Amino acid sequence: AQKVTQAQTEISVVEKEDVTLDCVYETRDTTYYLFWYKQPPSGELVFLIRRNSFDEQNEISGRYSWNFQKSTSSFNFTITASQVVDSAVYFCALSEAGTGANNLFFGTGTRLTVIP
Amino acid sequence: DAGVIQSPRHEVTEMGQEVTLRCKPISGHDYLFWYRQTMMRGLELLIYFNNNVPIDDSGMPEDRFSAKMPNASFSTLKIQPSEPRDSAVYFCASSLRGSSGETQYFGPGTRLLVL
Repeated sequence: AQKVTQAQTEISVVEKEDVTLDCVYETRDTTYYLFWYKQPPSGELVFLIRRNSFDEQNEISGRYSWNFQKSTSSFNFTITASQVVDSAVYFCALSEAGTGANNLFFGTGTRLTVIP
Repeated sequence: DAGVIQSPRHEVTEMGQEVTLRCKPISGHDYLFWYRQTMMRGLELLIYFNNNVPIDDSGMPEDRFSAKMPNASFSTLKIQPSEPRDSAVYFCASSLRGSSGETQYFGPGTRLLVL
């Protein structure tokens, strides 16, 4: 079974629109960590955010915000007023404390295209 | 500070040739990871090291793949002999510690094409 599900394979929005990327995870651990990474067309993987399972506060960083809801096992990512530079593949990932090691389980990614 | 450095960025080779990918982790990071990214399988962990020692190589696809970390600032992933199905982007990542939840920082990747 997939530990991290990103059901949206591809999303296209027009510049300045808001967009939310969904991430649903599955774990039996009570302590775990969630991440988002961005992979722009140039190919590198850029770390965006890390959250632990005990901190359900939403986080905002500029135009980026993250909504963590344990009740629905979701860690969604919203980009406000999208820009062309936001076009990338975005990956959600999970690390479980029970493994004792820093194994990252990645989702399959959501390709976001922002149309000018 | 420099991030994770990988070389080469692109590699094109012919089937049967040996391929060596290189990685320099972030200074001071004790853990180094090698991943492979393909369309079919997404991002897969191949192997990771702690203080230059391989800890888990269960993700290495077969004996044709080997990885070494001779010192804290250098690691190699070797494929010998290479096959077309090895074509992928190979990422190296490093983290300060290896405990779960530690952020892994990725290099730019090496795009490998085996003809």
